[in-house]
Parts: sequence; structure tokens; C-alpha cells
Amino acid sequence: QVQLVQSGAEVKKPGASVKVSCKASGYTFISYYMHWVRQAPGQGLEWMGLINPSGDSPTYAQKFQGRVSLTRDTSTSTVYMELSSLRSDDTAVYYCAREKHITSVCRFFDYWGQGTLVTVSS
Amino acid sequence: SYELTQPLSVSVALGQTARITCGGNNIGSKYVHWYLQKPGQAPVLVIYRNNNRPSGIPERFSGSNSGNTATLTISRAQAGDEADYYCQVWDSSTGVFGTGTKVTVL
Repeated sequence: QVQLVQSGAEVKKPGASVKVSCKASGYTFISYYMHWVRQAPGQGLEWMGLINPSGDSPTYAQKFQGRVSLTRDTSTSTVYMELSSLRSDDTAVYYCAREKHITSVCRFFDYWGQGTLVTVSS
Repeated sequence: SYELTQPLSVSVALGQTARITCGGNNIGSKYVHWYLQKPGQAPVLVIYRNNNRPSGIPERFSGSNSGNTATLTISRAQAGDEADYYCQVWDSSTGVFGTGTKVTVL
């Protein structure tokens, strides 16, 4: 069965960086794009970016350009999301989500990780 | 950037029908997907490509999309349907989520 298992909660100070991992299993890792979505406390879902595990350059939401970096390790079927220059409003649950790609304009998320809470506080 | 607007909340009596709207400019030209999210849990896909149900999702969930509004319909609402619901589209190489709707079953 498909599983996306994320790393544990993090507490960071403003200005620091955080790196969250998402380990995939139960399917062919390089065959599916992986996305990252975050959710601030009591707020909605916000798309951050995507990575093609087979090697293309990641795509980032404009809001996070320059602050976020998505990478992958095919040997361990793991994707990583690193967010730098953290601010208090980056406090959120961060999810990885596997893309079910039908066409270039029909893209949605069929499996999600359990989420990782990142708290930014001085 | 593209925006999707949902009502903040929808209430439905047990066993009745709930309709959750998702408004966006010419959204009928896009594919709309829907997720439910229960407190403390990750989102779950309930409708994809406007009106398709993943395996394991009850037939009570259905979707439509036309003009400037997409709609998720929950028939014969059950207490377990209480959740936040989000619509989602893909626009200009970007994922876009709706603002979210809290569904309460009375």
C-alpha cells in the first residue's frame, strides 16, 4: 500500500531553516511527482511547490521563491522540503502529497503524508 | 493569481443533502478536485476531475462544474461527513486551493 511518512515536529527560531523529509513506499518512487502543501493553524491549505523525483527542476509557488528548496534521494525514495529565513507566520503543518497526473492541467493529490508541525518561535 | 472562493460554513440536517460551492473565474474550463479534512488529519481526496470518485469514497459524494461555479454534493449526510472541505484546481503551473468550507451535520 502507498505510504508517505514524514519526519517529526520541529521547533525553530526566527531566521533559521528547517528541513522536512517525506519517505515514500508502496509504489515506484520516480513515477509520481511529489508536492508540498502547508496549513497554518486554523487556516486553509496552501500549495508550496512540486518536484519530479525522476530529475526535472522543481517548481515553486511564487510566494516561496528563493526561500524553499525541494530535493529528492532516489536511493531512499525520500523527498525533502527545506524552508529558510523562517518567520513566525511560517508556523504550520507541512504535508507532502503525491500527485496523480492525468494531464498537464488535471493534477491532484491522491496520497498525503501525515503532516509535520513546524513551530517558529523565539 | 487565480482565486477560489468557498462559503465559510454549510450546515445540513442528518440524512439531507449538502451542497458546497467553489467559485472561480471560468472555473468550468478547469478540472476541479475536492478534499475533506477532519481535525488533526491529513486531507483525503473525495472527488477528482470534477465528478469522479476514488475507490472507497461513497456514492453519496458527487461533483459538478460549470461556468463560474463548481459544486460538491453530499447526499444523505451522515455525522461522519462533518469536516472541512477544500476544492482545488491547477492553474498556470500552480496548485490552487479554495478557502475551505466547514460542514456541520445537525
